[in-house]
Amino acid sequence: NAGVTQTPKFQVLKTGQSMTLQCAQDMNHEYMSWYRQDPGMGLRLIHYSVGAGITDQGEVPNGYNVSRSTTEDFPLRLLSAAPSQTSVYFCASSSPRVGGELFFGEGSRLTVL
Amino acid sequence: DQQVKQNSPSLSVQEGRISILNCDYTNSMFDYFLWYKKYPAEGPTFLISISSIKDKNEDGRFTVFLNKSAKHLSLHIVPSQPGDSAVYFCAARPFVISSGSARQLTFGSGTQLTVLP
Repeated sequence: NAGVTQTPKFQVLKTGQSMTLQCAQDMNHEYMSWYRQDPGMGLRLIHYSVGAGITDQGEVPNGYNVSRSTTEDFPLRLLSAAPSQTSVYFCASSSPRVGGELFFGEGSRLTVL
Repeated sequence: DQQVKQNSPSLSVQEGRISILNCDYTNSMFDYFLWYKKYPAEGPTFLISISSIKDKNEDGRFTVFLNKSAKHLSLHIVPSQPGDSAVYFCAARPFVISSGSARQLTFGSGTQLTVLP
């Protein structure tokens, strides 16, 4: 059972470049989200989706785009990378039942030079 | 302003002793609290949770205590084992009013627990 799969695990970008972090889950979860983890800041919510075709902003959405065309996939796009986006990114999903905890992917470490 | 605070960045405990990790929150709308454990190069994994209608929840060696009046919760690990060495995140979410808000967790900054053999 793969759970939540993120690719790539590591990426180095130059300022201004764009890229997409991929996230896929095989648990048929309606809810998916993206977090970034920075030292001393914990995990902060970037964007989330409650189902295919529905997305919304979290706490730190600027500089990121998302789309949800299928239940399984929730890619995160960096439009024009900045050094402030150097971080570890985690994708997570959960079931719709109340109390359903988040299942996280292994993370994608992004460095923007 | 951080709504969920873990004021201790690190904690070292001897194997077999009790580990106590603390978490404070400021948002009165939070009514469900979770603890996640994270090993290096892995994603966080769910450990234990507690609803605001309870003041204690136990699962094996792990117990979470909630003090609503103080807006404080703690995770107790007894006995601590070297395999418990990890970063522990406290998280909280508000009362469920929609499927979206139900999943929006607010995380603390984490506490690195080291259990010494």
